[in-house]
Amino acid sequence: QKEVEQDPGPLSVPEGAIVSLNCTYSNSAFQYFMWYRQYSRKGPELLMYTYSSGNKEDGRFTAQVDKSSKYISLFIRDSQPSDSATYLCAMKAQGAQKLVFGQGTRLTINP
Amino acid sequence: GAVVSQHPSWVICKSGTSVKIECRSLDFQATTMFWYRQFPKQSLMLMATSNEGSKATYEQGVEKDKFLINHASLTLSTLTVTSAHPEDSSFYICSALARNEQFFGPGTRLTVL
Repeated sequence: QKEVEQDPGPLSVPEGAIVSLNCTYSNSAFQYFMWYRQYSRKGPELLMYTYSSGNKEDGRFTAQVDKSSKYISLFIRDSQPSDSATYLCAMKAQGAQKLVFGQGTRLTINP
Repeated sequence: GAVVSQHPSWVICKSGTSVKIECRSLDFQATTMFWYRQFPKQSLMLMATSNEGSKATYEQGVEKDKFLINHASLTLSTLTVTSAHPEDSSFYICSALARNEQFFGPGTRLTVL
């Protein structure tokens, strides 16, 4: 079993829809959770960084962490074609430097 | 702030040759950098952790004699793929650690003919 599970998709939704991306994890030592966006043939770009359980909002993006269920989500409101990319969840334990990535979900927003 | 660059952005080489990829932190100093490899439609696979002034720490299964890492300064780490073969063709991405966050470079696409 992988430490971090993420549905690779692909996921295709119409413009303006609310997108929900999810990851589950098995290692209860993970304390820091990140979402990265990666456009084709580019490096990952940090979108959200959370520590505690609950919600964190930044513009159209909301990151949600449920440590009791070992489940994290990223919501994208009013999705735009420019949001089309691969979204990677990543996490790490307290004091650790290394990130453990999910497989990434390929998202396409159709105009 | 926290910008990381990579050079070259893409490279094509013949089988058996060596290729050097540079990773630079442009506006901050990074004692720790990371090298990843990414195959098409797959996630990032950590290859090694590069620490300034000391030997890199390689992940299990990564050949340290094939993937030479040198972190000679606080702003530069290099990855040299020695005696490259077609199976080494991949997207190589570095990141630099700053304020407990990893900031990623734009990646280098290596094609070995």
